[in-house]
Amino acid sequence: TGVTQTPRHLVMGMTNKKSLKCEQHLGHNAMYWYKQSAKKPLELMFVYSLEERVENNSVPSRFSPECPNSSHLFLHLHTLQPEDSALYLCASSQVGAAANYGYTFGSGTRLTVV
Amino acid sequence: AQSVTQLDSQVPVFEEAPVELRCNYSSSVSVYLFWYVQYPNQGLQLLLKYLSGSTLVKGINGFEAEFNKSQTSFHLRKPSVHISDTAEYFCAVSDGEYNNNDMRFGAGTRLTVKP
Repeated sequence: TGVTQTPRHLVMGMTNKKSLKCEQHLGHNAMYWYKQSAKKPLELMFVYSLEERVENNSVPSRFSPECPNSSHLFLHLHTLQPEDSALYLCASSQVGAAANYGYTFGSGTRLTVV
Repeated sequence: AQSVTQLDSQVPVFEEAPVELRCNYSSSVSVYLFWYVQYPNQGLQLLLKYLSGSTLVKGINGFEAEFNKSQTSFHLRKPSVHISDTAEYFCAVSDGEYNNNDMRFGAGTRLTVKP
């Protein structure tokens, strides 16, 4: 697919540090992290547009995003809580003059915090 | 800010029957509207989108949706469903701005097609 997320599954203890990776091969200039929990709407966590962070929806500091270039996005995790267990989805889109008005999603990382 | 309400959390239907998944939105500005589908263990896939023009939008897999501004609705329909349509469906809205980096999603509707 155009958006690749690794790993697909991750189990981590509350004291661990891990990172989720997202890579898009579509030439898009905006990337996003969403959290998907059971029976809840998708929660927008972070937005990077043109490699600059434009939105942070009051996400706890134990989640730290990084966008080194327009094709790569990371989510660094540390001292997570069990309620952080969820599917984490990465998406990309094209904004600006050539906006495509639709997001392309990766397959997600299923995170379990034990 | 815009928001989306999907009125049904679960919709069971028999194969070859018609289906409608309901979506209402709220926004103070012009909007772009989307429907996405999520199959098990996968990300979301764009089914269709309304940006402007004709209020009836056709998408992939035989789905279509109608934008109704007066009722602030964007319901998804298919005249005859297949077992393979079993999935989670998400309605989404973003405001009609230059940079659509603010897409908001509904809670989802789980469509189950029974033989």
